[in-house]
Amino acid sequence: GAGVSQSPRYKVAKRGQDVALRCDPISGHVSLFWYQQALGQGPEFLTYFQNEAQLDKSGLPSDRFFAERPEGSVSTLKIQRTQQEDSAVYLCASSLLEYTDTQYFGPGTRLTVL
Amino acid sequence: GDSVTQMEGPVTLSEEAFLTINCTYTATGYPSLFWYVQYPGEGLQLLLKATKADDKGSNKGFEATYRKETTSFHLEKGSVQVSDSAVYFCALGDTTGANSKLTFGKGITLSVRP
Repeated sequence: GAGVSQSPRYKVAKRGQDVALRCDPISGHVSLFWYQQALGQGPEFLTYFQNEAQLDKSGLPSDRFFAERPEGSVSTLKIQRTQQEDSAVYLCASSLLEYTDTQYFGPGTRLTVL
Repeated sequence: GDSVTQMEGPVTLSEEAFLTINCTYTATGYPSLFWYVQYPGEGLQLLLKATKADDKGSNKGFEATYRKETTSFHLEKGSVQVSDSAVYFCALGDTTGANSKLTFGKGITLSVRP
């Protein structure tokens, strides 16, 4: 079956622009995670959804970052007034249940802020 | 807070060489431990996991044992292949019980030459 998909795969934004990154999780997966991966680093947790509820947003670096999953499937990560330090790969992962160990990752969106 | 430390890379080996990639962790509870792999041009995928002390995870010839006394989860393979060339990430699962978010190490790039 289809895995986790993300779009766009690459995004270039000018500093100050708003961007929206989309994640399509595996159908039926309850949990959805967003991670940020800077160059040469491991992914870092941003936020977690259980169905449509955002239960943990402790990793969001500032109030410019906002995520939603209104119908419990597709999720969007929005970054307002992008800054150069936002340049990174943004990874989405889903898992079947709320406490399932195995997370399935999408290919990521590489964001470059000029 | 929870953290994962991986040995510095990159690592270059000849085919059929023995591989060890070190990973140690700091956690307040008893986390699950994981190795994820990222092949060129692909998303992160789970390689193996262990959920409690002395468990051994294994997959594709790779093994790692959960060592609570040394807080380690070193990855080993007896004979590497060119197709094992990838970036390897050690990770631990959330210990607060809030959700199953992952904390990753920085990753290490493995290159295997024919």
